[in-house]
Amino acid sequence: AQTVTQSQPEMSVQEAETVTLSCTYDTSENNYYLFWYKQPPSRQMILVIRQEAYKQQNATENRFSVNFQKAAKSFSLKISDSQLGDTAMYFCAFTPGNNRKLIWGLGTSLAVNP
Amino acid sequence: GAGVSQSPSNKVTEKGKDVELRCDPISGHTALYWYRQSLGQGLEFLIYFQGNSAPDKSGLPSDRFSAERTGGSVSTLTIQRTQQEDSAVYLCASSAGQASSYEQYFGPGTRLTVT
Repeated sequence: AQTVTQSQPEMSVQEAETVTLSCTYDTSENNYYLFWYKQPPSRQMILVIRQEAYKQQNATENRFSVNFQKAAKSFSLKISDSQLGDTAMYFCAFTPGNNRKLIWGLGTSLAVNP
Repeated sequence: GAGVSQSPSNKVTEKGKDVELRCDPISGHTALYWYRQSLGQGLEFLIYFQGNSAPDKSGLPSDRFSAERTGGSVSTLTIQRTQQEDSAVYLCASSAGQASSYEQYFGPGTRLTVT
């Protein structure tokens, strides 16, 4: 079965500090794409960062970076210099192989405190 | 430019009634997806449209659920004889192509409450 596990239902961090959200997944595919999405209270799902499994270099987008460990099937998200606007649900997801549908974790609720 | 839009934003219906949820994808996007987000759950894939190809309906939970996409643009998700367990947020997404690398852009969702 292809699954995504986010082991931290809730996390909090002080403004300007760094936080890491964990994600592990299970697939027999060799090529796939991994994603982190953010869902603020507005419900709008927003792509934060994307990683292609065949690329060894970890993706970065400004304050957001990932630690992709393919052998361990781990895909954690690091948020540096946390801002109040980062408060949201964060979902880890992937599309295995040529399958277009996203498989999702249950999410981590992140609160950034002033 | 305009993003993915969905209507209505919220819908309250009585058990047993039929509902229609609408999705307007980003202009020019050939792929369209429907997902369901239940309280405390992750997102669940429902159905996927790509151009003129037959849709992937593998995620539809029962035959009470159906969807169509007219003219390769607007899509309607229909739930017949609604049940309380159908209460959820229904999210629509579109992407520019069928490859997995294409980003899926999401609409704000429709919150469906079945009483």
